[in-house]
Amino acid sequence: ILNVEQSPQSLHVQEGDSTNFTCSFPSSNFYALHWYRWETAKSPEALFVMTLNGDEKKKGRISATLNTKEGYSYLYIKGSQPEDSATYLCGRWDTNAGKSTFGDGTTLTVKP
Amino acid sequence: DSGVTQTPKHLITATGQRVTLRCSPRSGDLSVYWYQQSLDQGLQFLIQYYNGEERAKGNILERFSAQQFPDLHSELNLSSLELGDSALYFCASSAGTGVGNQPQHFGDGTRLSIL
Repeated sequence: ILNVEQSPQSLHVQEGDSTNFTCSFPSSNFYALHWYRWETAKSPEALFVMTLNGDEKKKGRISATLNTKEGYSYLYIKGSQPEDSATYLCGRWDTNAGKSTFGDGTTLTVKP
Repeated sequence: DSGVTQTPKHLITATGQRVTLRCSPRSGDLSVYWYQQSLDQGLQFLIQYYNGEERAKGNILERFSAQQFPDLHSELNLSSLELGDSALYFCASSAGTGVGNQPQHFGDGTRLSIL
């Protein structure tokens, strides 16, 4: 993996479904992984900053895990609600370059 | 409300012109980041400042420049504008020393349209 890649690109689920998506990233020079939630016509909102291999973070119905050795993070949403509809963006912080590289996001649509 | 203020919200100008985008970070945040989001593209990192000094540079064109002032607000200057510069420009700020272990807080963006 040379860049930050997110899959799937988009996801449509029914209200109440649980869902998960993946962020894959280069494991070398890893320092931190950021997850953001980005609603249409708004600005990205921080969800999690993860730094340690095996990290698990939770915020309400949303949780995330991190595997720095193999270079991936999963974001889980339990019991999706229509208000969870948004693009979920991950960004990998490269400590050598001193910057974040973002994936293209996973766009989640939750149908009532 | 993230606490990051960007002005103006919208800017319409012509090719060849120069514009300045302004960003006020959250109170207490020393790091400021600038991003560009063009049509059908993701967030592209442009540049980061920490406490007045340039910290990191991304894919920023030579026609673009930025600075962070002593009061910590930042300005992104775009000159000799081209049609392809039309985009949404975001500013973000973070606490700490700007080394990636703090979340970034994004402003609402400035939408730049070049006619």
